[in-house]
Amino acid sequence: DVKVTQSSRYLVKRTGEKVFLECVQDMDHENMFWYRQDPGLGLRLIYFSYDVKMKEKGDIPEGYSVSREKKERFSLILESASTNQTSMYLCASSRGQGRETQYFGPGTRLLVL
Amino acid sequence: GENVEQHPSTLSVQEGDSAVIKCTYSDSASNYFPWYKQELGKRPQLIIDIRSNVGEKKDQRIAVTLNKTAKHFSLHITETQPEDSAVYFCAASPGGFKTIFGAGTRLFVKA
Repeated sequence: DVKVTQSSRYLVKRTGEKVFLECVQDMDHENMFWYRQDPGLGLRLIYFSYDVKMKEKGDIPEGYSVSREKKERFSLILESASTNQTSMYLCASSRGQGRETQYFGPGTRLLVL
Repeated sequence: GENVEQHPSTLSVQEGDSAVIKCTYSDSASNYFPWYKQELGKRPQLIIDIRSNVGEKKDQRIAVTLNKTAKHFSLHITETQPEDSAVYFCAASPGGFKTIFGAGTRLFVKA
């Protein structure tokens, strides 16, 4: 059974703080993704990674960076948190190259004050 | 750019009725169409998917149809039950690593 975990379920940070969101998967998946979920906007891709140390920008990468030093771990970094980054953040992983199920983590609800 | 439109945004049905959610996509290279269900407070989970060489797929009370010419696909849930209440996301994958998600449909099944 695929398991994707995220470091926090809820997080409260102040404007300007550096924020780290961590995601770990235990199925040896090549691909990992970070999405943000906002009402009425669905799931929007921030960044993804198809291999260790490889990363690609998604549709809304501004204000975010990522790190993938190990295959099982994918980190999302908010360099200087802003109130418009208040959102639900979902991590996902999948194997192979496209046309594959994505397995999601439980999400981190981030509030930036 | 790539886009997936999903309708309706909210759907309310009586228990036992059918529910239909429709999506259209813009990238004609899309060849994989998954549907995810997200129950309140939980993570999205795949419930059914269809690939471009198939026009219809069924799994118990859930079916998905695909019309590649018109670039639209639909989710059909028959004999709805209260536990079907959730947000449903359609998605389209043009190959590679990206999957484009629709905005979601919140389904309410009234007992």
